[in-house]
Amino acid sequence: GESVGLHLPTLSVQEGDNSIINCAYSNSASDYFIWYKQESGKGPQFIIDIRSNMDKRQGQRVTVLLNKTVKHLSLQIAATQPGDSAVYFCAEIMGGAQKLVFGQGTRLTINP
Amino acid sequence: GAGVSQSPSNKVTEKGKDVELRCDPISGHTALYWYRQSLGQGLEFLIYFQGNSAPDKSGLPSDRFSAERTGGSVSTLTIQRTQQEDSAVYLCASSPVASGNKNIQYFGAGTRLSVL
Repeated sequence: GESVGLHLPTLSVQEGDNSIINCAYSNSASDYFIWYKQESGKGPQFIIDIRSNMDKRQGQRVTVLLNKTVKHLSLQIAATQPGDSAVYFCAEIMGGAQKLVFGQGTRLTINP
Repeated sequence: GAGVSQSPSNKVTEKGKDVELRCDPISGHTALYWYRQSLGQGLEFLIYFQGNSAPDKSGLPSDRFSAERTGGSVSTLTIQRTQQEDSAVYLCASSPVASGNKNIQYFGAGTRLSVL
């Protein structure tokens, strides 16, 4: 998994713009990935997932892209809204393992 | 209940005391997980229960940490002789999937533990 730093990366976007949150993973054997959203004082909330045999998956206003060549995952949020303000985590699972390995997280703030 | 329930929501204790944190998973979910989240950090895996199988304890940081899951439902995470570095939010998650690599875990709101 990723190393954990003392400061969360922060992304600030204007309301209505698209947001792109990036995540690098280290384990090439990981075959399932999830994006979670965590609002202040709450537990992580499932957003979208993707298997390693796919390179793109779309949900409602969200799209996840997977590039296995460079071990990179991104979450795109269309028409960002104030309610999208949160910390976003990517998580991976390798093979038959059940535990999620979480990335560092990115704090998304929305400017009015 | 509708979601994963954790209690207490906040716990303040003195260094050296034991604490118990409770998790009620979503009804019918066979898998249960405990994670720890320090301030401004990602989530750190602690322990995983699946049905009647032996739990995966590979993430427990020391022998002061233990967990039980009674009757395949409620789980208790116990921290003995708490230290200040144990201060964190302890999150519980459950999953309906018994095996396989599609494992959406649903999280509770967590217990914020503060060790003085």
